Amino acid sequence: GQQVMQIPQYQHVQEGEDFTTYCNSSTTLSNIQWYKQRPGGHPVFLIQLVKSGEVKKQKRLTFQFGEAKKNSSLHITATQTTDVGTYFCAGRSGGYQKVTFGTGTKLQVIP
Amino acid sequence: EAGVAQSPRYKIIEKRQSVAFWCNPISGHATLYWYQQILGQGPKLLIQFQNNGVVDDSQLPKDRFSAERLKGVDSTLKIQPAKLEDSAVYLCASSRVALAAEAFFGQGTRLTVV
Repeated sequence: GQQVMQIPQYQHVQEGEDFTTYCNSSTTLSNIQWYKQRPGGHPVFLIQLVKSGEVKKQKRLTFQFGEAKKNSSLHITATQTTDVGTYFCAGRSGGYQKVTFGTGTKLQVIP
Repeated sequence: EAGVAQSPRYKIIEKRQSVAFWCNPISGHATLYWYQQILGQGPKLLIQFQNNGVVDDSQLPKDRFSAERLKGVDSTLKIQPAKLEDSAVYLCASSRVALAAEAFFGQGTRLTVV
């Protein structure tokens, strides 16, 4: 079945440093979504990418979808303590757009 | 608009007992998902409903898990009998349609099987 892996599994950064998480799918995706889950919370939708090579920005967050639609990345510029949480990519594929979540990257920001 | 409602928030049961979780999706959302999230892992899709029909249940352990969505609105997920490895957070999510961009998640039910 479809597998979606993320690296790194954990990342500790000093506040103000940049952060990047990478997402890789074993199969070609229709689209990819990114979610953030705060400690003890539930996943919250951040963005969806659909087109090959697409790049979207949300303030300090930059999202990219690979040309082959099998990988994606999330980059945070100048991290803040409010960025703490686990970031998941979620790839959709198939007729009913089955969602497969990635393994997640847990971000800790040291003030 | 009101969010996805789930109950109970927490449940502790002994192995081999039964348990049921309830989910009320956002009004008008046709697609409903149940996910299992084991501590430290990403959510794993158990079952996806489109209105009251099942479109994907390939990862649902059907020997012990069952789910239904009556009248295409509320849904229940049942485990009978529970095993220790079922300890997890069970998340319900909904979206307007299957191809919709955004899924809205409920707060989840944390199940502990002892």
